Amino acid sequence: DAKTTQPTSMDCAEGRAANLPCNHSTISGNEYVYWYRQIHSQGPQYIIHGLKNNETNEMASLIITEDRKSSTLILPHATLRDTAVYYCIVRAYSGGGADGLTFGKGTHLIIQP
Amino acid sequence: DVKVTQSSRYLVKRTGEKVFLECVQDMDHENMFWYRQDPGLGLRLIYFSYDVKMKEKGDIPEGYSVSREKKERFSLILESASTNQTSMYLCASSLVTSRLYNEQFFGPGTRLTVL
Repeated sequence: DAKTTQPTSMDCAEGRAANLPCNHSTISGNEYVYWYRQIHSQGPQYIIHGLKNNETNEMASLIITEDRKSSTLILPHATLRDTAVYYCIVRAYSGGGADGLTFGKGTHLIIQP
Repeated sequence: DVKVTQSSRYLVKRTGEKVFLECVQDMDHENMFWYRQDPGLGLRLIYFSYDVKMKEKGDIPEGYSVSREKKERFSLILESASTNQTSMYLCASSLVTSRLYNEQFFGPGTRLTVL
């Protein structure tokens, strides 16, 4: 799986959009970008994934650059409950899906009131 | 929504005890996983299972075993708990799919302390 680089921490004001960057310059053509988050003392939570097109769901939007070497997770209207560590990972699906996840250090997003 | 539940949120055991951590998922997922998470070391895969009675070692299986007798339930067993197994244990599940991607759904975690 390709390696990712994320900032260690970020602040965002409540109600504003939170934009979390991720670099994955060695991504392969068959690797997807996934985002998970982990709120303190809870299990990780899947947020969104994408291959090359921009994606949006009820939680967030994912913008992937055309060369796929970086991406940005956007939380459009951040709330205090969005304070968490956000993990960007890239991985290929190897049929059956029974592959473990590897999280890096992630970005600690702090939403300020 | 997928629900993954773990038998305990917090557990305190003594060195040498046999410890059972239970995980149940309600979405008929074929794959189930056990991880441990430690500060500075991130998430590490202990064991996974892709079907009933099937299991595969992950990155750090030593000192652990697993059991999957039913599709919805995946148990992690510490045969003789040691202090270095003090950790947050996370269970996850995922669907086998023909799509080229899949996401994992995690339980709330069990924080195990071995004294």
